[in-house]
Amino acid sequence: SALTQPASVSGSPGQSLTISCTGTSGDIGASNFISWFQHYPGRAPRLIIYDVTARPSGVSFRFSGSKSGYTASLTISALQAEDEAVYYCTSYSTSNSVVFGGGTKLTVL
Amino acid sequence: QVQLVESGGGVVQPGRSLRLSCAASGFSFNKYAMHWVRQAPGKGLEWVAVVSFDGSDKYYADSVKGRFSISRDNSENRSYLQMNSLRGEDTAVYYCTRGVIITLSPEIDFWGQGALVTVSS
Repeated sequence: SALTQPASVSGSPGQSLTISCTGTSGDIGASNFISWFQHYPGRAPRLIIYDVTARPSGVSFRFSGSKSGYTASLTISALQAEDEAVYYCTSYSTSNSVVFGGGTKLTVL
Repeated sequence: QVQLVESGGGVVQPGRSLRLSCAASGFSFNKYAMHWVRQAPGKGLEWVAVVSFDGSDKYYADSVKGRFSISRDNSENRSYLQMNSLRGEDTAVYYCTRGVIITLSPEIDFWGQGALVTVSS
């Protein structure tokens, strides 16, 4: 089953915002292999967080990840207009698969 | 630089087969797991399958298990997705993506441009 994300979130420039990703004991609860992707329409998705909290080279420090229990979270600080995109979480699953969240559309007001 | 180029997409009738190919360059192909991820029109991303760095382990999403087969040729730096018994719900853009040495880690750092597969009569 897919991980559960809010369909949409919004915030104003300069604000901080958190996107949640809820799973089960068979995926997020059992794994530190959790990633987040940023996806602009018409472009390939971009990895912005891996292993729950790690940031790939070149990704802004404004993006941070965390996990508590069965919920992973992506926090974006000092929101900018360019952050408007769809964000996906994903996790290793103990059913020997990888599961994605349904995606969250971030709107910068 | 890392490049992943998919080919083999197109229009196919329900029940028929199609094989996608992914040509990789710019990195040591035999050191990375390779995933296929798809996105149906108007929908989110869906993980499809992964093959380990050496081809010995393969895992699939339940939605394609028994119909799709992933493979790789490390001598040719290519990954493949054989899709059989195709259904309308398989219509999607299919992305070839690069993982890491740990096969089922979702640390996917490079994506191809995508290949459109349309299943329609």
